[in-house]
Amino acid sequence: DQQVKQNSPSLSVQEGRISILNCDYTNSMFDYFLWYKKYPAEGPTFLISISSIKDKNEDGRFTVFLNKSAKHLSLHIVPSQPGDSAVYFCAARGTYSGGGADGLTFGKGTHLIIQP
Amino acid sequence: DTGVSQNPRHKITKRGQNVTFRCDPISEHNRLYWYRQTLGQGPEFLTYFQNEAQLEKSRLLSDRFSAERPKGSFSTLEIQRTEQGDSAMYLCASSGRQGPVLYGYTFGSGTRLTVV
Repeated sequence: DQQVKQNSPSLSVQEGRISILNCDYTNSMFDYFLWYKKYPAEGPTFLISISSIKDKNEDGRFTVFLNKSAKHLSLHIVPSQPGDSAVYFCAARGTYSGGGADGLTFGKGTHLIIQP
Repeated sequence: DTGVSQNPRHKITKRGQNVTFRCDPISEHNRLYWYRQTLGQGPEFLTYFQNEAQLEKSRLLSDRFSAERPKGSFSTLEIQRTEQGDSAMYLCASSGRQGPVLYGYTFGSGTRLTVV
């Protein structure tokens, strides 16, 4: 049972345009959501997080939006740069996520490709 | 501090053998996590330590798996009687007292296990 779903395995975006990565979740007990970026042969790197009591968090080129009623969040990257090409994971924290107090439940990831 | 260090980077073992991986977290981080990532999936939570205490274990962690964190510093993950289904990337992560939600975990580069 996938509690965090990233339904697009890959996404191709032109350099300079906006990249929008989507994530859906099923567990209403999740209290924080996070986005990670992963390059090949490296561990995931934290990008940005959002509390379930907020609907938007922004950090430079990265903005995360949360729609609790739809159980949906999205990561916007503006403008997209070649170095943004990577796999992006959505993750959630919650008491009943199966990850314990601080364990995270991850989606399967979306491979973002930035085209020149 | 050079971040979270994992050794070895790669391990090939025969089915039925025991293997042990090591993780050295960021020195000031008191929380340490183990995750497993298989091909096409996101990381899956295995277990979590706060200092030397193992506070949470996933149901994924069968009785062939054991993790320790003596003295609250480095951690080891041992898999006994390895099976082909254990082939995966094993990721270690650490975080400070605030947990992962504000600044995320810091992941290591992982140990890739191949069971032949």
